[in-house]
Amino acid sequence: DIQMTQAPSSLSVSVGDRVTMTCQASQAVFKNLNWYQKRPGMAPKLLVYETSNLEPGVPSRFSGSGSGTHFTLTISSLQPEDVATYYCQHYENLPLTFGGGTKVEIK
Amino acid sequence: QVQLQESGPGLVKPSETLSLTCSVSGYSIRSGSYWGWIRQSPGKGLEWIGSIYHNGNTYYNPSVQSRVTILVDPSNNQFSLWLNSVTAADTAVYYCARHKTSMILGYFDFWGQGSLVAVSS
Repeated sequence: DIQMTQAPSSLSVSVGDRVTMTCQASQAVFKNLNWYQKRPGMAPKLLVYETSNLEPGVPSRFSGSGSGTHFTLTISSLQPEDVATYYCQHYENLPLTFGGGTKVEIK
Repeated sequence: QVQLQESGPGLVKPSETLSLTCSVSGYSIRSGSYWGWIRQSPGKGLEWIGSIYHNGNTYYNPSVQSRVTILVDPSNNQFSLWLNSVTAADTAVYYCARHKTSMILGYFDFWGQGSLVAVSS
């Protein structure tokens, strides 16, 4: 199985700050990497697919980049509604696996 | 708008079988996507359990493969999860979700709200 490692596990930032989180795959997944946002008590929401493609309706302050084994999700200016846990997921092969998540809180 | 809704018992006894149904509305299961189950155990991350196509073709996570069955009922636009010999480690919120395309390798674009299943005597 491909292991997905996210860092940091949590971060506390101020509204308006730039937020960057990473996802590292245990082997190359090329660009086969997605990002989801999970708010407490709610279903996960797809934010970015295939590394850098924003799902329709997702605010443009979210962006994804990377390739191979190292990927990044950036929030350019954190908003209160962005408080959530963010998960990466690869689809290079089966089983599909998710990272452990990065929890974003407001300072 | 595609909507998914999980239903089933919220409490299952150890060694028994967990069963959940996902009802899909706003989209026909026959239209060509894979349909999956994902769970989140308390305090942990997301785990893909398995997925099914409308023709019954399935893929399972090896971590649960010996205990899991996913079935599809296109006539009722539903699919279901059956997990036998459950233990406390199977306590989780179970989500059903749609794969965006007809390929198993991809992403989940619509999710249900989740169903909490506790395994306890």
